[in-house]
Amino acid sequence: QKEVEQDPGPLSVPEGAIVSLNCTYSNSAFQYFMWYRQYSRKGPELLMYTYSSGNKEDGRFTAQVDKSSKYISLFIRDSQPSDSATYLCAMSDRGSTLGRLYFGRGTQLTVWP
Amino acid sequence: EPEVTQTPSHQVTQMGQEVILRCVPISNHLYFYWYRQILGQKVEFLVSFYNNEISEKSEIFDDQFSVERPDGSNFTLKIRSTKLEDSAMYFCASSGSRTDTQYFGPGTRLTVL
Repeated sequence: QKEVEQDPGPLSVPEGAIVSLNCTYSNSAFQYFMWYRQYSRKGPELLMYTYSSGNKEDGRFTAQVDKSSKYISLFIRDSQPSDSATYLCAMSDRGSTLGRLYFGRGTQLTVWP
Repeated sequence: EPEVTQTPSHQVTQMGQEVILRCVPISNHLYFYWYRQILGQKVEFLVSFYNNEISEKSEIFDDQFSVERPDGSNFTLKIRSTKLEDSAMYFCASSGSRTDTQYFGPGTRLTVL
């Protein structure tokens, strides 16, 4: 299935860089958009959650959703070596119920000191 | 901070054997999920469970799979007759309400020989 597409990388940046991670999707019914971070041999950890279009900021992280283009982004400012992980986008098409999540393949990010 | 736990962390089994993967969701959560991730591939939804019954299942979740909440704290995934292609990381997740997001456990790595 190609519902959610995400460039797997790997992406390697120096400490302090701004990182941009992106996903595209095909299902216009998706309304809930999430970014998860996954460290090696761990489960996905929720970073950001947005509903419909717009921006959401949380510390060094900003999530953007453009439903007209079916495109979502995660920006990481002042990246740190501890941000090194795989970043997964996920989406849901439920109106008021978060049902099954559809994931991208994940982008592997390395931030080097 | 409450978290989802899973046991065992790694399970090795012979093809055709039955396995049971166990999860303890966050204590006040009501919605439970199983996902799997084959190495190098996307995290895929298997099943969601609410009020002691399956809410939704994917095409992957065939008659070989079953889920159960045997008591007030555990949530299990049983694979009746394992196949080589069942080798994957299996993640349990839980959420507190219909509009809450899903929190993932660390996963069980299943290896079928």
